[in-house]
Amino acid sequence: EPEVTQTPSHQVTQMGQEVILRCVPISNHLYFYWYRQILGQKVEFLVSFYNNEISEKSEIFDDQFSVERPDGSNFTLKIRSTKLEDSAMYFCAGDPGVYGYTFGSGTRLTVV
Amino acid sequence: RKEVEQDPGPFNVPEGATVAFNCTYSNSASQSFFWYRQDCRKEPKLLMSVYSSGNEDGRFTAQLNRASQYISLLIRDSKLSDSATYLCVVRTGANNLFFGTGTRLTVIP
Repeated sequence: EPEVTQTPSHQVTQMGQEVILRCVPISNHLYFYWYRQILGQKVEFLVSFYNNEISEKSEIFDDQFSVERPDGSNFTLKIRSTKLEDSAMYFCAGDPGVYGYTFGSGTRLTVV
Repeated sequence: RKEVEQDPGPFNVPEGATVAFNCTYSNSASQSFFWYRQDCRKEPKLLMSVYSSGNEDGRFTAQLNRASQYISLLIRDSKLSDSATYLCVVRTGANNLFFGTGTRLTVIP
């Protein structure tokens, strides 16, 4: 079964550093998303991406965050200057435009 | 007001039991409804979509009541492998999803 692949699986970074989280979605997906889940809390929407541009973003997705699909396959989430409260699981997801998102296995980001 | 509300549990049930989870959503314009399963520190995985007429997939039955803005999931003949957190998920408007906090289920031998 096709998978959404995320790298790295775990990233530890110092506060104030930039991090880039990477995702390789399934090729026939039309929409791409980033979600995050702080430990013990619910999954929260960050941003959706369609036709190489952001289609919607949440209040969480402030100026510190950016997304790109630089080469038509990889889908990246960049956090420019990490804060302690950015520590969470970050999930990439793809949607073939029908229903039923497929989530990647996630990147655990720990900011110290 | 939370978009999606669930009883967080935990539900501890013996093998073979029937267990039901409930969920309510706040936005009457919501369009699509799902149950996802999440194992500890893993990604959410789609368990089943929920249709207005109700739908069944093996031991799992989902119901939707649009008038009451209520969604349910019934698991019959619980297995040890059913132990997980069950997430009620609603799609509203654009293509992003709103998640409940999840209901934790532990099936006991």
